[in-house]
Amino acid sequence: DTGVSQDPRHKITKRGQNVTFRCDPISEHNRLYWYRQTLGQGPEFLTYFQNEAQLEKSRLLSDRFSAERPKGSFSTLEIQRTEQGDSAMYLCASSLDRVNEAFFGQGTRLTVV
Amino acid sequence: SQQGEEDPQALSIQEGENATMNCSYKTSINNLQWYRQNSGRGLVHLILIRSNEREKHSGRLRVTLDTSKKSSSLLITASRAADTASYFCAPINQGGKLIFGQGTELSVKP
Repeated sequence: DTGVSQDPRHKITKRGQNVTFRCDPISEHNRLYWYRQTLGQGPEFLTYFQNEAQLEKSRLLSDRFSAERPKGSFSTLEIQRTEQGDSAMYLCASSLDRVNEAFFGQGTRLTVV
Repeated sequence: SQQGEEDPQALSIQEGENATMNCSYKTSINNLQWYRQNSGRGLVHLILIRSNEREKHSGRLRVTLDTSKKSSSLLITASRAADTASYFCAPINQGGKLIFGQGTELSVKP
């Protein structure tokens, strides 16, 4: 068990570009979560999956954000037409089910210039 | 919202002292988790306490849960400089969604 893996760890992009992040959950974990965190704030919920089904997407997210988990294993988070306000740490977590521990990856730090 | 609200927002203590952080939430929960985060890093899972449990221990950590008051506390005993970090509680609703508050920033001075 290698833990939750996120790639890349750091991403610098120009405003207006699209970016895609990947999250590999712990093997056999059915739940997968995405969060966003800015400096000095707690993690903000973005979306979560049960296997390949997206259960909820935050109303705070604009249509520029989309997430997928096509085979119920890894997940991708795409941000289209990035804005400077998208600069943040993007965190992924996974859990076996809705009642057990959720473990986080090290995050992807996005900087939009 | 049922997010966890931590109190205090910041706590500064001397090495060897105990640190207590509190968390309140608003709706019924499935369980509650506590996490630690060092600056710029990911969240490290500390402990999970279920809604039918009142107290749980793990090493120098003690977590309590009072569902009637919708509150939880995290006690770190005999603190060390390495405990310096932000601490978050994350209540989990019946659907399994974790919602975080702003956290408690703990500073342990050697």
